[in-house]
Amino acid sequence: QQQVKQSPQSLIVQKGGIPIINCAYENTAFDYFPWYQQFPGKGPALLIAIRPDVSEKKEGRFTISFNKSAKQFSLHIMDSQPGDSATYFCAASYTGFQKLVFGTGTRLLVSP
Amino acid sequence: DSGVTQTPKHLITATGQRVTLRCSPRSGDLSVYWYQQSLDQGLQFLIQYYNGEERAKGNILERFSAQQFPDLHSELNLSSLELGDSALYFCASSPGTSSQGTDTQYFGPGTRLTVL
Repeated sequence: QQQVKQSPQSLIVQKGGIPIINCAYENTAFDYFPWYQQFPGKGPALLIAIRPDVSEKKEGRFTISFNKSAKQFSLHIMDSQPGDSATYFCAASYTGFQKLVFGTGTRLLVSP
Repeated sequence: DSGVTQTPKHLITATGQRVTLRCSPRSGDLSVYWYQQSLDQGLQFLIQYYNGEERAKGNILERFSAQQFPDLHSELNLSSLELGDSALYFCASSPGTSSQGTDTQYFGPGTRLTVL
């Protein structure tokens, strides 16, 4: 119930491509869905987050799509660049719960 | 730079030993969280403190303990260390004042613990 399932485990795209990372959850109490980016040797850094009252949110080249009925959400990276090569984690939480439940991560490689 | 600092950056110790990891939250943040990141378990929540008091507990072993001091820095104590405790330990902080109940968590750079 508390799990967040993330796929794919790894992804390789060419520069300019649009990698898509998917996450699914079971607990309908979740109401906060952030995405974190982690570079080797660094801590996770918040990229973008969404709440279930909207179906899409864009920040720069990063877009979250949210499907409440399917209990799924995804991250799209437009015009991907080699500098986007990192591990991406989806997460979920709910009001009053505070702790983040993380997906297993997706290692993205953007080739030049 | 998230504004969260963690020391030490690396720690190498032997089985059975005890270590202390330290975290200083962002200025003004009242909540501190500890997470463990390992290859097989991913990022797992350990424990949260809010303004000096324990707020939530996750998958934290009895050999592990934490506290948050009046100046809001936090320490994670790991004792009777086992090989399987080797992992990255992250501290995160948040304001703890969100009316929606879920604050953005800002992560520190982590402490890499190696148990030999």
